[in-house]
Amino acid sequence: DGGITQSPKYLFRKEGQNVTLSCEQNLNHDAMYWYRQDPGQGLRLIYYSQIVNDFQKGDIAEGYSVSREKKESFPLTVTSAQKNPTAFYLCASSTTGVVIYNEQFFGPGTRLTVL
Amino acid sequence: SQQGEEDPQALSIQEGENATMNCSYKTSINNLQWYRQNSGRGLVHLILIRSNEREKHSGRLRVTLDTSKKSSSLLITASRAADTASYFCATEIQGAQKLVFGQGTRLTINP
Repeated sequence: DGGITQSPKYLFRKEGQNVTLSCEQNLNHDAMYWYRQDPGQGLRLIYYSQIVNDFQKGDIAEGYSVSREKKESFPLTVTSAQKNPTAFYLCASSTTGVVIYNEQFFGPGTRLTVL
Repeated sequence: SQQGEEDPQALSIQEGENATMNCSYKTSINNLQWYRQNSGRGLVHLILIRSNEREKHSGRLRVTLDTSKKSSSLLITASRAADTASYFCATEIQGAQKLVFGQGTRLTINP
């Protein structure tokens, strides 16, 4: 099956801990994205990557870090510097690094809760 | 405020009725996309309309785009219980290689 997988589905973090959310795609897409969704809200862009070994900050990058060492993988680390990390995190990918006319394909999401 | 703003925030109708959701945006766009999200799930792409298009159809979905008013509408005809979800518009702003999402419309179809 082709698609995007995210793991884990649920993640609990103690204050002061860093956690890493996994995102893998086998769609051969160049571009990958991380979004944050708070209850009843839309999606806000955290980071995006248009090509391997390159990524850019989105609108709310503070307290987060990413890497793009492989085309199929784009892990997100939520650091202790992120003051309010409890949210639903969504990973997406698209066919090229240029979004024009391209839809984004989404993973099932990871729900992160800070204890 | 966000680039895309949707109206209404919530909509509840009877099965079989039509549902209309609206999206307004502020800056020039390359395209506008509509996505659906079932509760606790990822988003699913529904339809994309380019800035030079005015109307597009896909099954029971009809999307219009008015670039002079910077607005779009999504019409779902003959609604079904399975259409219950949140619907988001997303705009690709000219010069920005990313999508900006609205806050969504929560649609409930009552049997």
